[in-house]
Amino acid sequence: SSELTQPPSVSVSPGQTARITCSADTLPKQYAYWYQQKPGQAPVLVIYKDTERPSGIPERFSGSTSGTTVTLTISRAQAEDEGDYYCQTADNSGTYWVFGGGTKLSVL
Amino acid sequence: EVQLAESGGGLVQPGGSLRLSCVDFGFAFTSHWMHWVRQAPGKGLVWVSRINIDGNVTSYADSVEGRFTVSRDNAKNTLYLQMHNLRAEDSAVYYCARESRFRGLAADVWGKGTTVTVSS
Repeated sequence: SSELTQPPSVSVSPGQTARITCSADTLPKQYAYWYQQKPGQAPVLVIYKDTERPSGIPERFSGSTSGTTVTLTISRAQAEDEGDYYCQTADNSGTYWVFGGGTKLSVL
Repeated sequence: EVQLAESGGGLVQPGGSLRLSCVDFGFAFTSHWMHWVRQAPGKGLVWVSRINIDGNVTSYADSVEGRFTVSRDNAKNTLYLQMHNLRAEDSAVYYCARESRFRGLAADVWGKGTTVTVSS
């Protein structure tokens, strides 16, 4: 099964660009997905199929992919973007899902 | 608005059993595969289980295979997770989540979670 590796933390100043990476140990055949989770709340989908953004998610959230690494980019980061971010994918058949370990984003 | 609502969590002794429920208050429960995802205190998200629309195709994380059973009652718009032989490491907030129909293998709707504590 695939393992997803994320940095434990990322810190940026307000208005700067935050980049959170997620690396797979095997070449992924499935897309990657990103979730934002704030303390005491359920996760919220912010990026799907590597680069797509659900309606209601600010345009400053974007996703990209290069080889076995996917990246969530938050442009012009704001204090409200603080939280934990998780990448997620599935095995080749879509049967087994896996989450990355999560990255705590601090905007200060 | 609340779409998914979990219940059934609580304190249980090691080796005990518990059944979690997740009611879908929307109108599309029978159109979606469903998942359980858990999060231990201070830790990350961990996928637990997945079930198809008809309830006859299921999959589990290795850590719960053989101990947990996912099921659904489409007439009641309800997802279940039956948990047996619980261990301390099963203590977590358990979320039910709806698999998207149009956004690939994403969970696009989540409940608020129910807390399971396994302790003597």
